[in-house]
Amino acid sequence: QVQLQESGPGLVKPSETLSLTCTVSGASISGYYWSWIRQSPGKGLEWIGYIYYSGNTNYNPSLKSRVTMSVDTSKDQFSLKLTSVTAADTAVYYCARTVRDGQRWAWFDPWGQGTLVTVSS
Amino acid sequence: EIVMTQSPDTLSLSPGERATLSCRASQSISTNLAWYQQKPGQAPRLLISGASTRATGIPARFSGSGSGTEFTLTISSLQSADFGVYYCQQYYNWPPYTFGQGTKLEIK
Repeated sequence: QVQLQESGPGLVKPSETLSLTCTVSGASISGYYWSWIRQSPGKGLEWIGYIYYSGNTNYNPSLKSRVTMSVDTSKDQFSLKLTSVTAADTAVYYCARTVRDGQRWAWFDPWGQGTLVTVSS
Repeated sequence: EIVMTQSPDTLSLSPGERATLSCRASQSISTNLAWYQQKPGQAPRLLISGASTRATGIPARFSGSGSGTEFTLTISSLQSADFGVYYCQQYYNWPPYTFGQGTKLEIK
């Protein structure tokens, strides 16, 4: 079955860039949108954005100015960069497959196990 | 942005009891709603999509209902494995997709 695994630094300094990669196994990255979602005690679950295997993206307006996503189909990986981080960006970051429902890209299934990123000097 | 509000924040019940969790949308979302279960230290797991369709492998004791702005997740007879936090998510209008704040289902 499809499995996702996040990887990247667990500690990032304020004002620097958070970079994470999600590796997909058990299925091709093609044909789906792939999302990043984060979870912090203060804000609950927050959708960050998604990327199609072709490179098309859609970001949460609240984070759009700081987010860049990319995809590497040869490695079945997609990545997240979040610039100018602050303590408010401390969260568990999940990657997830976005499932299509008719004309809508809809729910998230499955999810990676998540990785905690702490923003601190 | 569509705001999702869940109630109650915490629900304390005993095994074997029936659980009823609510989710309200700030505007009509038809049946474009999913439910997830999250256990400590784990990622959320999809339970229900389309407001009422169980995901693969989800037991029949889980059922979803509702449309428009009011939705319910019912667990007919609680088992110990069912305790955790439950989230609803709308996919009617994005960006952004939005989640409820969660309902914690705990053992009484």
